[in-house]
Amino acid sequence: AQTVTQSQPEMSVQEAETVTLSCTYDTSENNYYLFWYKQPPSRQMILVIRQEAYKQQNATENRFSVNFQKAAKSFSLKISDSQLGDTAMYFCAFMKLRVGAGNMLTFGGGTRLMVKP
Amino acid sequence: GAVVSQHPSRVICKSGTSVKIECRSLDFQATTMFWYRQFPKQSLMLMATSNEGSKATYEQGVEKDKFLINHASLTLSTLTVTSAHPEDSSFYICSARDRGWAPSGYGYTFGSGTRLTVV
Repeated sequence: AQTVTQSQPEMSVQEAETVTLSCTYDTSENNYYLFWYKQPPSRQMILVIRQEAYKQQNATENRFSVNFQKAAKSFSLKISDSQLGDTAMYFCAFMKLRVGAGNMLTFGGGTRLMVKP
Repeated sequence: GAVVSQHPSRVICKSGTSVKIECRSLDFQATTMFWYRQFPKQSLMLMATSNEGSKATYEQGVEKDKFLINHASLTLSTLTVTSAHPEDSSFYICSARDRGWAPSGYGYTFGSGTRLTVV
C-alpha cells in the first residue's frame, strides 16, 4: 500500500515571500503520478500541479513548482511570490499507474498554509 | 473545463433517516467515481470507488450497507447514507474520472462537497 506523509501540519508565510511545503511518499511502484491539490475555505479541491514519475524535469505552473526527488521519494511544492489567495489546505497525492489499479488518489494529511499580509 | 456538480451542498437530517447525495458530470462521461469523506481539519479518506454499471468497491472499514453507492449512468453517481447517526456527520466529496482519461491532471474533477449534519 502507498502512504503519503506531509510533515508540516501548519505553515505561514508573508505575502510576496516564498514557501516550500514538504511531502514524502512510500511505494514500491515505478510508474506513478504525484499531485498537489489546494483546498481553500470553500473546500473545493483544485489541482495545483502534477508530476509524472518517469519525467526527471520538475513540473512548474506559474508561481508553483515542485522538487521531485524520485530516489528519496520526496515531492515538495514551492510557492513563489505568495498571495493572500494562496491561503488554503494543501494536499499531496499519489496515484499508481497500473492497468486495473483503479487509479485512485492517496492523499497526505495536508498542510494548512496561511499567507499573512 | 470538466465540471462535477454535487448536491446538496449542505444537509441536516434526523438520526435514523437516510440522505442521498448526487454527483453529476456535466460535460464529460464519468466512467469512475470516487467517494471521499473528510473530517474537520483532516485529509480526504477514500470510501469507495464505483464504475458505471457495476458494483462499487468499498475500502476496508466502510460499511457497504450503510453507504449505498449507485453509478447507473455515465453522468450520475449517488451516495446514500442509510439510517444516519450523528457519527456520520462529515464532509463528503465525490471525484470523477472521465472516459477518455489519460493522467493529464485534468482527469480528476472534484465536486464541491456536501456537509452532512445528523442531529
